[in-house]
Amino acid sequence: SAVISQKPSRDICQRGTSLTIQCQVDSQVTMMFWYRQQPGQSLTLIATANQGSEATYESGFVIDKFPISRPNLTFSTLTVSNMSPEDSSIYLCSVEDLPGDRETQYFGPGTRLLVL
Amino acid sequence: GIQVEQSPPDLILQEGANSTLRCNFSDSVNNLQWFHQNPWGQLINLFYIPSGTKQNGRLSATTVATERYSLLYISSSQTTDSGVYFCAVHRIQGAQKLVFGQGTRLTINP
Repeated sequence: SAVISQKPSRDICQRGTSLTIQCQVDSQVTMMFWYRQQPGQSLTLIATANQGSEATYESGFVIDKFPISRPNLTFSTLTVSNMSPEDSSIYLCSVEDLPGDRETQYFGPGTRLLVL
Repeated sequence: GIQVEQSPPDLILQEGANSTLRCNFSDSVNNLQWFHQNPWGQLINLFYIPSGTKQNGRLSATTVATERYSLLYISSSQTTDSGVYFCAVHRIQGAQKLVFGQGTRLTINP
């Protein structure tokens, strides 16, 4: 498995502002992902964070709203830009393709965001 | 895209009871995982089970890939089993990304 940490664990933000969420993994991983979980809902994939290149976004998510960085194989950031109350969600990073454990996906503890 | 349906959506049981959660999927898959999200929001991977049967303590899972369903069994439930259980799959064809079902919310009462 992998140890995944996220910062911040929670935040309350004002509409119109931006928040950057950090995800740190204790080992080098090929695949890193960002998910959103709206209140009472399932998980929706925002994008795949690609090391050294632009992230691959899913339908309904755009780079201007959710810019992602992945400078190396252990770290990624997700920014939620120009926030509105509809962005209130849990944001989770996850990893896959660990050495010796190629298929299992592991999740960070999540960042709970409330936008007022 | 692939559809993932979980049933029941909600389940309330007394401590000590057994339960079966079901996941149906609409296309052939090469990856199926079960997760437990605890009341604090942490997602824990329970099983990677694209086919066959696995057991881990009081939990076991079976996937019948040819019939496109998977079952998660919880025996002798404890209050700590409460939370939401998600099934997630990768399609064999197309982008290799996990698609999640809507989850089963399990409440175990003491």
